[in-house]
Amino acid sequence: QVQLVESGGGVVQPGRSLRLSCAASGFTFNIYAMHWVRQAPGKGLEWVAVISFDGSNTYYADSVKGRFTVSRDNSKNTLYLQMNNLRREDTALYYCARASGYRPSYDYWGQGSLVTVSS
Amino acid sequence: QSVLTQPPSASGTPGQRVTISCSGSNSNIGNNYVYWYQQLPGTAPKLLIHRSNQRPSGVPDRFSGSKSGTSASLAISGLRSEDEADYFCAGWDDSLTGPVFGGGTKVTVL
Repeated sequence: QVQLVESGGGVVQPGRSLRLSCAASGFTFNIYAMHWVRQAPGKGLEWVAVISFDGSNTYYADSVKGRFTVSRDNSKNTLYLQMNNLRREDTALYYCARASGYRPSYDYWGQGSLVTVSS
Repeated sequence: QSVLTQPPSASGTPGQRVTISCSGSNSNIGNNYVYWYQQLPGTAPKLLIHRSNQRPSGVPDRFSGSKSGTSASLAISGLRSEDEADYFCAGWDDSLTGPVFGGGTKVTVL
């Protein structure tokens, strides 16, 4: 069965970095675009980034552009989100989600990885 | 502030029909598909409607989606207690070149 398992979250000080991982299994990882979507505590959903099936194209929300980098290793069936210069407003549960393309049609989601930015 | 606008709450009694609206603009809903998600407490969102009015396999036909102009709606008919959840609309925005979400609507079953 399809599984997406995020890891790497934690508590980090403002200005520091963190890398999230999303391990995929149960499907052919290298034919799907993958997205990161976050949800601040008690708030709604916010799209963060997308990477194409082969990693050749990436797009970011304005709120993270220049600070976050999405990447993937198709040989390891793993998606990454490198988060630099973290801000308090980046505090959220970060989900990885599978999509057939860039549109927000997410048929599978991970359980989320909590990132807390606090001094 | 979300790009897509939803009412913060909606409610109904068991068996009733509840409708949730999602308002956008020509750069998103007006020219693109709408997607709807259900998020039960403490869980990841689940895709309910894709391509504005299509249900993925396994989603009950009590859930239906529609779109007209720059607005979309999700209807839940025959409301059940297990439908109590947050519901989010989403779509692609041509101007922002990325997906956008509504702020979410909390549905309460009275």
